[in-house]
Parts: sequence; C-alpha cells; structure tokens
Amino acid sequence: DSGVTQTPKHLITATGQRVTLRCSPRSGDLSVYWYQQSLDQGLQFLIQYYNGEERAKGNILERFSAQQFPDLHSELNLSSLELGDSALYFCASSVGGADPQPQHFGDGTRLSIL
Amino acid sequence: ILNVEQSPQSLHVQEGDSTNFTCSFPSSNFYALHWYRWETAKSPEALFVMTLNGDEKKKGRISATLNTKEGYSYLYIKGSQPEDSATYLCAFRRTDDKIIFGKGTRLHILP
Repeated sequence: DSGVTQTPKHLITATGQRVTLRCSPRSGDLSVYWYQQSLDQGLQFLIQYYNGEERAKGNILERFSAQQFPDLHSELNLSSLELGDSALYFCASSVGGADPQPQHFGDGTRLSIL
Repeated sequence: ILNVEQSPQSLHVQEGDSTNFTCSFPSSNFYALHWYRWETAKSPEALFVMTLNGDEKKKGRISATLNTKEGYSYLYIKGSQPEDSATYLCAFRRTDDKIIFGKGTRLHILP
C-alpha cells in the first residue's frame, strides 16, 4: 500500500461528458503528479502540483484541468470527453522540495468512454 | 536523443542468472533519473532516484548506474528470482520539472 488513494477505481461514461478524478497523497507529501496511460502509449506526464501551486505541465490537453486544494488532495477534471481519453489515470505523490524524491503511485482510475 | 528509450523491450532470463538493461535519455536539461518496477495489475513502485553523474545505487540484488554526460543509465539484477518478473520503467526529469517516461523493459524470469 503506497498510501496514495485514488477514487473512483473505475469510471464509465459517454463522449462529451465531464468527470472528476480524485487523489489523496501520502501523509506528509506536498507534491502531486498526474499521469495518463493509454493502451498504445507509456506513462504520459500530465501535470504536477506542489503545496497548492502548479509546478510543471506536461502533455495535458486544454480540455483537462487540475487543482490541488489546501488539504493537499488533488482533482483532475476531464471535460468534453472523447473516445481517445479512455485510459488509466495515475496519481503519484512525493515529499517535494528542492531534491528529487521517489514518487509513490496510487492504484489508478480506469476511465472508459463509450 | 529527445526521448527516453529503454532497451530491450522484452527480456527472458533463466532463474538464477543476472541481467541488465538500459535507459537512454537526453544529456541536456538533466535533473534526475527515476527507476520504477511495475508488476502486472499493480501500480509502479519506486526503485531509485539518481541525480549525480557516476551515481551508483543498490537495493538488495538490484543496482543502477548513471551517466548524465552521455545520457544513459543501467539497471542490473543479480541472481534473478521469479518475483523479479515485472516491467522496469525509467523516467527522465528535466530541469523544468517535466517528466518523460520510457516504455519500459518487460522482464520474464523463467523457472
């Protein structure tokens, strides 16, 4: 158990809809990362937050947005969903700060678009 | 190299044998190199974070080396065991904090 909690585990919805994925980091971790894993691709970095502020942005679509709240949990919002958004979405957390630290991954949310 | 490349893609190793595989990454804008172990139906598990050229890290039978000047890292597994069967991922972290993952090396340990 990594200590990172993602909900829901599975999500099935239709094209055009909007969903919110939630992540609670490990106790004491200030950084949260979001990743997407599609069938034909490796893990793609979407975005990182550190202590409530956006720190780095990867290949995140404009239809996607994220935030980190004062209690450090994070949400990834996906809107105007397309079939190609079907993927496994991981959240990871780390202590954060100046030195790179290991990231601890949650179990992921599997999103299926019908 | 603009991307992160891992080789080989897949590897079959006899139980008890030692093995190694490679992660190649851009030699500029280097901040850190992460190694992860990813078992089927689980989530990636951190193995090492490496930051300095010439770094060597060890965890039990697994070790890793880092060459930031030429842009590669090796992961070694000594005396492979069935529980080592997994996909091994490396991730290159740039100075702007962007992270690029390789596609992984899938390791199968044969009994």
